[in-house]
Amino acid sequence: DADVTQTPRNRITKTGKRIMLECSQTKGHDRMYWYRQDPGLGLRLIYYSFDVKDINKGEISDGYSVSRQAQAKFSLSLESAIPNQTALYFCATSDPTRGGGADGETQYFGPGTRLLVL
Amino acid sequence: AQSVTQLDSHVSVSEGTPVLLRCNYSSSYSPSLFWYVQHPNKGLQLLLKYTSAATLVKGINGFEAEFKKSETSFHLTKPSAHMSDAAEYFCVVSDLSSGTYKYIFGTGTRLKVLA
Repeated sequence: DADVTQTPRNRITKTGKRIMLECSQTKGHDRMYWYRQDPGLGLRLIYYSFDVKDINKGEISDGYSVSRQAQAKFSLSLESAIPNQTALYFCATSDPTRGGGADGETQYFGPGTRLLVL
Repeated sequence: AQSVTQLDSHVSVSEGTPVLLRCNYSSSYSPSLFWYVQHPNKGLQLLLKYTSAATLVKGINGFEAEFKKSETSFHLTKPSAHMSDAAEYFCVVSDLSSGTYKYIFGTGTRLKVLA
């Protein structure tokens, strides 16, 4: 979805390096998410943010941190990258006001960032 | 707790034959259910969603899914496969069991379409 962009699209880094993945959205949604995808495991939630002042850990937050710089921007950092963090990372957004609970809060995904940690 | 099981990790069909991708869910609340498709080197695209309205849901590209509460299933079907349907498909459940809507993903089904 072109309304959700991620940079970089591909990144190779070395063990121990700090890196940041960025997500921007023009959908005007308050809620943003970071997932990682590993083969055979589906997508797993790392962190989510319901507004600029609200940050929450997901199921696999260890080794990651996030920053919500504005409604439209949500960054994911790996403080000290390790090979186990090699994965495909997705950002997503949702809007709780659209249809409320009946909508199940449909999430809209960015194109992903492929990260390789050597 | 909510969970999703995609019963097949790989499915192969011939072009022009029906597609069936199976998904079972567990939810203590009234769930919303989604199917997403991921083409190679692409992001996730929403195919269709069930949100307590009609149990038979029609999506894009000729796909549809039927919510069956008694069987806790939300299988994805298409009458006739096309080569462009080759992709990975994810079933997702979302409900309020954690106090807010959060997605739980299945592990994915990779669909191969044979010429």
